[in-house]
Amino acid sequence: DGGITQSPKYLFRKEGQNVTLSCEQNLNHDAMYWYRQDPGQGLRLIYYSQIVNDFQKGDIAEGYSVSREKKESFPLTVTSAQKNPTAFYLCASSIDQGLGRDIQYFGAGTRLSVL
Amino acid sequence: GNSVTQMEGPVTLSEEAFLTINCTYTATGYPSLFWYVQYPGEGLQLLLKATKADDKGSNKGFEATYRKETTSFHLEKGSVQVSDSAVYFCALSTETSGSRLTFGEGTQLTVNP
Repeated sequence: DGGITQSPKYLFRKEGQNVTLSCEQNLNHDAMYWYRQDPGQGLRLIYYSQIVNDFQKGDIAEGYSVSREKKESFPLTVTSAQKNPTAFYLCASSIDQGLGRDIQYFGAGTRLSVL
Repeated sequence: GNSVTQMEGPVTLSEEAFLTINCTYTATGYPSLFWYVQYPGEGLQLLLKATKADDKGSNKGFEATYRKETTSFHLEKGSVQVSDSAVYFCALSTETSGSRLTFGEGTQLTVNP
């Protein structure tokens, strides 16, 4: 089955620690995205990538980093510079035809908590 | 810039009641409009979409009509079920934003038996 796989489902971060969230897709989509969701709030875009080896900052990129070395993979690192990392993180992908009509497909999310 | 405003929640209804969740937008350019649904503990999935004025998107008994004159895309369902309990997000993208989506805040719906 095609889809987006996020791992782990739950993750705990210690003070001063970097953690990496995995996102893999087998939909052959060009574009991938990372969102942060806080309780009672909408989704906020962290980073997105429209092609391998290229990515752009979203609205709340500070304290996060990404890489796009393969089309299928778009890992997100939450660095120690992110002082309030507790949230639900969602990865998504889309075809990216550039017409503004693309459907985004989402993974099941990773819930990150601070110990 | 682009923005989406949804009616505040949470919304609580009895089974078989009529549902409306309001969504209005502002956009630079000509937007495509989406409704996504998030069931508890899961990611989002597309519920329906419309890409031009007066288009009606529909799925699973839900409907929304793209109203350019009122810049709205309200979600409706004639008879809700307990299984419709979820968070609903209105979103838009434009040709200039490419595949980037702008989301509303989300509306929590609870349907009681």
